[in-house]
Amino acid sequence: AQKVTQAQTEISVVEKEDVTLDCVYETRDTTYYLFWYKQPPSGELVFLIRRNSFDEQNEISGRYSWNFQKSTSSFNFTITASQVVDSAVYFCALSEGRITGGGNKLTFGTGTQLKVEL
Amino acid sequence: DSGVTQTPKHLITATGQRVTLRCSPRSGDLSVYWYQQSLDQGLQFLIQYYNGEERAKGNILERFSAQQFPDLHSELNLSSLELGDSALYFCASSSIPGGGSDTQYFGPGTRLTVL
Repeated sequence: AQKVTQAQTEISVVEKEDVTLDCVYETRDTTYYLFWYKQPPSGELVFLIRRNSFDEQNEISGRYSWNFQKSTSSFNFTITASQVVDSAVYFCALSEGRITGGGNKLTFGTGTQLKVEL
Repeated sequence: DSGVTQTPKHLITATGQRVTLRCSPRSGDLSVYWYQQSLDQGLQFLIQYYNGEERAKGNILERFSAQQFPDLHSELNLSSLELGDSALYFCASSSIPGGGSDTQYFGPGTRLTVL
């Protein structure tokens, strides 16, 4: 069974600080996909990134970066120089890679509430 | 804007009633997924349709049902509503049926309140 753990329930930082959101996953599949979604106060779920299990290269997009380590089953997300607009709940999610009768449902973590204050 | 639309945005109803939530996927997407977000259960997968056929089922109650129509829009029907059904219901779409290699884009959600 798949499982995603986001141990940090809430993080508060001051603007311009760097912050890392942790994500640990469990799966028996050798092919799988990892995702991060952002849920701002307005409520929608915004896609941020997708990584597959064969690509451990870290990725940077502007102030966002992701560190994928299969050895520790982690897919952590770092925001550099945080801004108030980054305040949101961030979800890590996992899906299987095999095309089975089960489709590719997303298994979500419980989310991390990030509060960025002035 | 993800391109996925959901109506209505808010829905307030009473226990025992039945409601229908509607979703239109992004242009070209054939897969539709429904998720429920509640305080106690978090974000949970309910059901997936691909090109009109049910593809996968998650923790969906028997009182809930869904379908995908030929024009690819989907409806989630919730009946005999209970207080515990109050939640944010999301629809997501992707272009392929499964395998995880495709990204699911989410609609804005329908907030259901059962009184």
